[in-house]
Amino acid sequence: EVQLVQSGAEVKKPGESLRISCQGSGDSFTSYWITWVRQMPGKGLEWMGRINPSDSYTNYSPSFHGHVSISVDKSISTAYLQWSSLQASDTAMYFCARQPIGEPFDYWGQGTLVTVSS
Amino acid sequence: DLQMTQSPSTLSASVGDRVTITCRASQSISSWLAWYQQKPGKAPKLLISDVSSLESGVPSRFSGSGSGTDFTLTISSLQPDDFATYYCQHYNTYWTFGQGTKVEMK
Repeated sequence: EVQLVQSGAEVKKPGESLRISCQGSGDSFTSYWITWVRQMPGKGLEWMGRINPSDSYTNYSPSFHGHVSISVDKSISTAYLQWSSLQASDTAMYFCARQPIGEPFDYWGQGTLVTVSS
Repeated sequence: DLQMTQSPSTLSASVGDRVTITCRASQSISSWLAWYQQKPGKAPKLLISDVSSLESGVPSRFSGSGSGTDFTLTISSLQPDDFATYYCQHYNTYWTFGQGTKVEMK
């Protein structure tokens, strides 16, 4: 069974850095893109960017490019979403999902809630 | 930029009702259209890909149709488990979601 398991909830202060993770199991981790989606409180889904675990190639939404960074450690089947300086507006639930080539997001992680507050 | 616009934003319905949600793209997206269901506090679940292909395990009361810029998700007979928020998504080049349609109990 394919599973994506995300790291736990985080509470951070503005200006702090953060890295959250998404570990895959049950299938070849390097055969699919891993994508990240943001959901702000009470709002809809926003695609942030994606990474190809086989070569670490990334695509970013223009809305998020330069503010977050996506990386991967394929030796442990784990993708990461990272901020160098959090803002209060980064408070949201973040989901990772598996993205087969040319297909929508078929398996999702359970979500990681990030709260940024002074 | 490609925009995906869903209507209505909220839909009030009763068990057994036929429910239709529409999704309009700001430009032609061929058949690169998916639908997801999301319940509070949960990850979205993929229901339909390629406009009308039901994912494994999705009940047959769900169906999708459309082409080009106009698409619909239909639930033929609403069940208690179907009260949720539904999102359309274009999934080629950029992966843009509609703003969501909340199906609530009338």
